[in-house]
Amino acid sequence: NAGVMQNPRHLVRRRGQEARLRCSPMKGHSHVYWYRQLPEEGLKFMVYLQKENIIDESGMPKERFSAEFPKEGPSILRIQQVVRGDSAAYFCASSPSASGYNEQFFGPGTRLTVL
Amino acid sequence: GQQLNQSPQSMFIQEGEDVSMNCTSSSIFNTWLWYKQDPGEGPVLLIALYKAGELTSNGRLTAQFGITRKDSFLNISASIPSDVGIYFCAGQFMDSNYQLIWGAGTKLIIKP
Repeated sequence: NAGVMQNPRHLVRRRGQEARLRCSPMKGHSHVYWYRQLPEEGLKFMVYLQKENIIDESGMPKERFSAEFPKEGPSILRIQQVVRGDSAAYFCASSPSASGYNEQFFGPGTRLTVL
Repeated sequence: GQQLNQSPQSMFIQEGEDVSMNCTSSSIFNTWLWYKQDPGEGPVLLIALYKAGELTSNGRLTAQFGITRKDSFLNISASIPSDVGIYFCAGQFMDSNYQLIWGAGTKLIIKP
């Protein structure tokens, strides 16, 4: 299966702990996007990355959230000192390019629960 | 921020009925995408539209990119139980070559 991979699928953290969410894009895709979804709502853009570069992080909270897409390995969304309000589904998407046809393909998501 | 107005919010239909949902925006888009999301899963791309007026089908699904570039609709013909789920539209602005703006979703429920 060459689809977008995310792990873990479910993550439980206590308040104040750190959460690390991983995303491996589809083969041949070098553009990664992270979205957040609350129950019964649409997706909200968080950050767009290319290899070793953050292109747009306008949807990321200013504090505690960070993202990276290293030269080797998966993209990581990191949430430090989690709070209950961080509980949500976090989806990663990838695309082969950012211009022209921009079909974004999504992973299965990581459901974060903060106790 | 920018928003798409997607309607209806939910639909209760009988198996075999046709379904129609739409998205509108006050802004012009150069791409419309329609996704379906099943519970506990990520969105799956159904149809992508790139030209104003374009009408594209995928099996029982048909979607159109409005002439004004500000709207799109999705039709599902002869609905079946596996059509249940949440359908999202997403648009891409003319001046942004990557960011997608999402509708709030249409929840499709099929009455037994």
